[in-house]
Amino acid sequence: ETGVTQTPRHLVMGMTNKKSLKCEQHLGHNAMYWYKQSAKKPLELMFVYSLEERVENNSVPSRFSPECPNSSHLFLHLHTLQPEDSALYLCASSQDPLSGSFNEQFFGPGTRLTVL
Amino acid sequence: DQQVKQNSPSLSVQEGRISILNCDYTNSMFDYFLWYKKYPAEGPTFLISISSIKDKNEDGRFTVFLNKSAKHLSLHIVPSQPGDSAVYFCAAFSGSARQLTFGSGTQLTVLP
Repeated sequence: ETGVTQTPRHLVMGMTNKKSLKCEQHLGHNAMYWYKQSAKKPLELMFVYSLEERVENNSVPSRFSPECPNSSHLFLHLHTLQPEDSALYLCASSQDPLSGSFNEQFFGPGTRLTVL
Repeated sequence: DQQVKQNSPSLSVQEGRISILNCDYTNSMFDYFLWYKKYPAEGPTFLISISSIKDKNEDGRFTVFLNKSAKHLSLHIVPSQPGDSAVYFCAAFSGSARQLTFGSGTQLTVLP
């Protein structure tokens, strides 16, 4: 596998279910990100992990719970979601940018989530 | 309030002609601006970037222009090809916040 992979690619779940999204990067990066993309809206940054520590949590509801066990893996645990949480969830990785510098983010293909 | 705006949700261009995609931003502290391209069922892929201290960056058929006084950037694709048909996202990077802020995207369709 190369680049950034995400599983599953599609997920349908009920509001009472618990599920997890998985992301794996094979690029040797040390920062990983979760984004949410709803239809016709900008990508919204949800969580940032750098060196396996969470450095950003953009006011995301607690029904979304991230986990970063090592620099190559990132999970998003989901429970008691709402229909409005249906969206494309994208994972990305990069070298952690030093203050003021920029490092390109590489995206996975996303998980299309539908909450019934 | 969106800090990065792409006001055109879609654009259609004839093959061989120039495509111009526009983006406006509100935060004058952004350090870099980027364009990402997204095909269906794939994640966004980085296309081209420009530092806030430059006004133009060119890479093959793709050129990005930055007008800091107007807080506006644009992506020019010339000549446009059918394979360029995709959603193009404008994004801005803040070095202090160490994060990207994205626009809502423009669907480009290049007609053969």
